[in-house]
Amino acid sequence: DVQLVESGGGLVQPGGSLRLSCAASGFTFSNYAMSWVRQTPGKGLEWVSSVNARGDGTYHAESVKGRFSISRDDLKDMLHLQMNSLRAEDTAVYFCAKKRGHMVINAIDYWGQGTLVTVSS
Amino acid sequence: DIQMTQSPSSLSASVGDRVIITCRASQGIRNYLAWFQQKPGKAPKSLIYDASSLQSGVPSRFSGSGSGTDFNLTISSLQPEDSATYYCQQYSGHPFPFGPGTKVDV
Repeated sequence: DVQLVESGGGLVQPGGSLRLSCAASGFTFSNYAMSWVRQTPGKGLEWVSSVNARGDGTYHAESVKGRFSISRDDLKDMLHLQMNSLRAEDTAVYFCAKKRGHMVINAIDYWGQGTLVTVSS
Repeated sequence: DIQMTQSPSSLSASVGDRVIITCRASQGIRNYLAWFQQKPGKAPKSLIYDASSLQSGVPSRFSGSGSGTDFNLTISSLQPEDSATYYCQQYSGHPFPFGPGTKVDV
């Protein structure tokens, strides 16, 4: 079975940094594009970042461009999101998601359970 | 950038009813549209991809249709466990926005 397990969330001060990780299992990780999606408590889903299977194509929402960076480690079957210059509005549950194919222009088919990031002083 | 809208924002229906949720893209996205179901406190669940293909394990009462800019998610016979918020998402090109969601009460 496909499993995606996020970690690394927590409380961080404004301006601080955090690195989220997603451990993938149950599929050949290196063959699939991956994404991060976030959800502010009580609000809707917001796409954050995506990376293609080869790792050479990364895409970020305008709201996080220049502050967040998505990356993947195919040797360890891990997806990461490096978050710098964090703001209060980045407070959200962050979900790791697997795409159906190797390109980012594929639908999400599996989701992790999410990890909560709280940005507050 | 492509914007996604959904209607209605919420609805209440009875067990056995046929329910249709609409998603509209601000420009054509061919069939690059997915639908997700999310229950409170849970991760989203994938229902439909490529506008009309059912994800493995999803009950056949769920179906999707549409192409271009207008799409529908239909629940043919609403069940109590279908109470949730439903989101559409386009993936024809980045950014990949979601619709604002439709809350369904059974």
